Amino acid sequence: DGGITQSPKYLFRKEGQNVTLSCEQNLNHDAMYWYRQDPGQGLRLIYYSQIVNDFQKGDIAEGYSVSREKKESFPLTVTSAQKNPTAFYLCASSIDRHTPLQAAEAFFGQGTRLTVV
Amino acid sequence: GQQLNQSPQSMFIQEGEDVSMNCTSSSIFNTWLWYKQDPGEGPVLLIALYKAGELTSNGRLTAQFGITRKDSFLNISASIPSDVGIYFCAGHPPNTGNQFYFGTGTSLTVIP
Repeated sequence: DGGITQSPKYLFRKEGQNVTLSCEQNLNHDAMYWYRQDPGQGLRLIYYSQIVNDFQKGDIAEGYSVSREKKESFPLTVTSAQKNPTAFYLCASSIDRHTPLQAAEAFFGQGTRLTVV
Repeated sequence: GQQLNQSPQSMFIQEGEDVSMNCTSSSIFNTWLWYKQDPGEGPVLLIALYKAGELTSNGRLTAQFGITRKDSFLNISASIPSDVGIYFCAGHPPNTGNQFYFGTGTSLTVIP
């Protein structure tokens, strides 16, 4: 079945460590996104990528890094520079909106809950 | 980044009641999306709207794209316990590439 897969579901990180969250999609979508969700909050954009080997910072990119070496994959690294990394992280993908008449709908993975211990 | 104003923030209703929630923006959008998120899961797309004035249904859910293009509404009829969750609106403004902007969510509790 087509979809977006995030792994792991739960992740624990020690202070000062970098961790990488995986996001894979087989929907053939060009655009991929990473959002952070804190309790009782909406979704805040960390990074997004519209095409392979290209990505842009979102509203809260500090302390995070991404790569987009393959169309299907958009991993997120939470670095030690991120002072408050405990949160629920969501990956999404969509068709490139610049394609005429294509639907602009984002589809989400199941999320990764990161906890700093 | 832009955040959408979504209201109400939370709702507690009796099973069988109808529910209404809305989302507003200070600027126009080309697309409005409505999602439902269960605890610990990713949001699931419920309804997508693409034209001003469009009214679309998905089972007991109905959503409308406001005429001004700055708002959208979601209605749930005859609520049931499995409607519990957080409902998010999302918008796609013109000339912003592939970015989406999200509301702060409406938490729905259905009392059996």
